[in-house]
Amino acid sequence: EAQVTQNPRYLITVTGKKLTVTCSQNMNHEYMSWYRQDPGLGLRQIYYSMNVEVTDKGDVPEGYKVSRKEKRNFPLILESPSPNQTSLYFCASSLGPQKNTEAFFGQGTRLTVV
Amino acid sequence: GENVEQHPSTLSVQEGDSAVIKCTYSDSASNYFPWYKQELGKRPQLIIDIRSNVGEKKDQRIAVTLNKTAKHFSLHITETQPEDSAVYFCAARDSGTYKYIFGTGTRLKVLA
Repeated sequence: EAQVTQNPRYLITVTGKKLTVTCSQNMNHEYMSWYRQDPGLGLRQIYYSMNVEVTDKGDVPEGYKVSRKEKRNFPLILESPSPNQTSLYFCASSLGPQKNTEAFFGQGTRLTVV
Repeated sequence: GENVEQHPSTLSVQEGDSAVIKCTYSDSASNYFPWYKQELGKRPQLIIDIRSNVGEKKDQRIAVTLNKTAKHFSLHITETQPEDSAVYFCAARDSGTYKYIFGTGTRLKVLA
């Protein structure tokens, strides 16, 4: 089954404790991205990657890191989480940036930073 | 910076009526405009999209129109049904950077 898998689904952590949210897709998609969703603000792109070893900043990259060492994985790293990073996070993938194809979203990760 | 404005933020319609959601984008380099539906507690799912070289696209009860000159695009849902109730997001993708900017969402309620 074609899917984008995020882990964990729920996470409560303390300020300053490094964490990683994993994202994996099994569709051989080139383009992957991370979004955060906050009430009233919609979805905001954090980082995106057009292929292995290629990553770019989205609209709200501050406080986040990503890596794309393999095509299928695109982890989101919070080196020193702060309460304002409490949010619902989605990973998404699509065939390729030059191809206007549907973006498949993961199930979401609800992060709370206390 | 680039911006996508979406209106209205909430919309209530009677079952069977039509619903229209409008988005305006600022980046003239945008060339791809998807619409997503997000049901409560679920992930966004694409419902329709349009490229900049097309003015209109239709898929059964859903249609999207694009006016490149005015930099706005709209989602039209006809014969609405209760299962159309959800939050709808528009988005615009920059043709150079491939960055996506989303609108802030429209909560659609279809009243039975």
